[in-house]
Amino acid sequence: EAAVTQSPRNKVAVTGGKVTLSCNQTNNHNNMYWYRQDTGHGLRLIHYSYGAGSTEKGDIPDGYKASRPSQENFSLILELATPSQTSVYFCASGDRGLYAEQFFGPGTRLTVL
Amino acid sequence: GDSVTQTEGLVTLTKGLPVMLNCTYQTTYSPFLFWYVQHLNEAPKLLLKSSTDNKRTEHQGFYATLHKSSSSFHLQKSSVQLSDSALYFCALSDGQGGRALIFGTGTTVSVSP
Repeated sequence: EAAVTQSPRNKVAVTGGKVTLSCNQTNNHNNMYWYRQDTGHGLRLIHYSYGAGSTEKGDIPDGYKASRPSQENFSLILELATPSQTSVYFCASGDRGLYAEQFFGPGTRLTVL
Repeated sequence: GDSVTQTEGLVTLTKGLPVMLNCTYQTTYSPFLFWYVQHLNEAPKLLLKSSTDNKRTEHQGFYATLHKSSSSFHLQKSSVQLSDSALYFCALSDGQGGRALIFGTGTTVSVSP
């Protein structure tokens, strides 16, 4: 079965600090995604990638950067964390194609104080 | 732009009763629709998907039919179980070759004994 892992699983950060969320997938999928989940908003796309070296802005990219150094790894970076970025973050991977399933990691709960 | 609407935020019902979760969508592309389920403190997982008009698709007792004429993809089950208590997301492939999924806001299903 598809395997997507995230670290850390829980993180408490201070306002203005830098936060890096990491994601690793062993499925050899080309596409990787970062979403955040907030009550009443569902899952919203922050950044995505089509392969190593590529990153693209999603629907809510402001305040976030992404890095895809390899096929397996995709990071989400908050350079200056703010309380509004308190959320649960999910990484996902999937094959290319309109009908491709996305496989999600277990999520990271981030609290910015 | 493309969008997905789920009208119920919370559905509460008793074990053994039927359930229908509403999902409507808007897109200028040929629609590819998905239902994901997320149990408490777990990652979202694919429940079922469809791109074929007027064909019923089933998985784990749940079923849905894509109706392009009404832009709908409602999820149904004839007899819910306690284990069906979860958050259900309807999602639309955005028609850009797997760029990402567009998720609805989700419907929480709570099943009581």
